[in-house]
Amino acid sequence: QKEVEQNSGPLSVPEGAIASLNCTYSDRVSQSFFWYRQYSGKSPELIMSIYSNGDKEDGRFTAQLNKASQYVSLLIRDSQPSDSATYLCAVTSFQKLVFGTGTRLLVSP
Amino acid sequence: EAEVAQSPRYKITEKSQAVAFWCDPISGHATLYWYRQILGQGPELLVQFQDESVVDDSQLPKDRFSAERLKGVDSTLKIQPAELGDSAMYLCASSLGLTGTHTEQETQYFGPGTRLLVL
Repeated sequence: QKEVEQNSGPLSVPEGAIASLNCTYSDRVSQSFFWYRQYSGKSPELIMSIYSNGDKEDGRFTAQLNKASQYVSLLIRDSQPSDSATYLCAVTSFQKLVFGTGTRLLVSP
Repeated sequence: EAEVAQSPRYKITEKSQAVAFWCDPISGHATLYWYRQILGQGPELLVQFQDESVVDDSQLPKDRFSAERLKGVDSTLKIQPAELGDSAMYLCASSLGLTGTHTEQETQYFGPGTRLLVL
C-alpha cells in the first residue's frame, strides 16, 4: 500500500465548476498535510496546508481533513482554465514529507 | 519575494559523466532538501540537511550520489557516474528549520528545479 494515494486522473471539469481532489494516507500518526500545484515542466508550488480536522478556506481553495478516515481533499471553486495542472498531496510521515503521485486537473473553457 | 534558487535549469549529459546541481535556499532557512521527481510521479526525498548536517540520506544512492552543504547555506548535489535512469527533475526545497513554529518547520518551498537528461 502506498503511503499517499491519489487518483492520477485526469479530472475534467468545465470552467466555473467545483473541482474536488482527493487523497488518502496510510500513516495514522501523520499530523501535517499539504497541497501543491505543479504546472507541466515546473516545480511544485504550495497552495495550502492543514493540520486540524475540518475545513480550511483560502480564496477559491478549501482543504478538508478527516484524520479518522485518513482522508484529505482540496476543493477548487469557480475553476479556471489556469487551474489546469497536477495537484500533489503531501503528508508528513516519520518527520518526512511524503508525496502522492498527483492528480491531473483539466479545466475546459 | 524570497525564493529558492537552483542552477542549471537544464542539463544534458552522457552516461558515465559527472554532473552537479547547485541550490541556494531562502535566506534564513536552516533546512534544505533535495528531491528527485520522475515524470508522472511525486517528488522523492534524496537528502535532508539541517544547517550543514545531514539529517536523512537513507534514499540517496551513495555509490554514485553525493551531497554537501559545507557552510550551512547553499548546497551541491553530485552524480558520478550518471546513468540513463537518473534522467529526472531534481528539486531543491527549504524550510525555516527548528527555530520556526511547527508550521514553519514543516512548510517546504521549492526552487525551479533542474531537469536532467542522460543520453
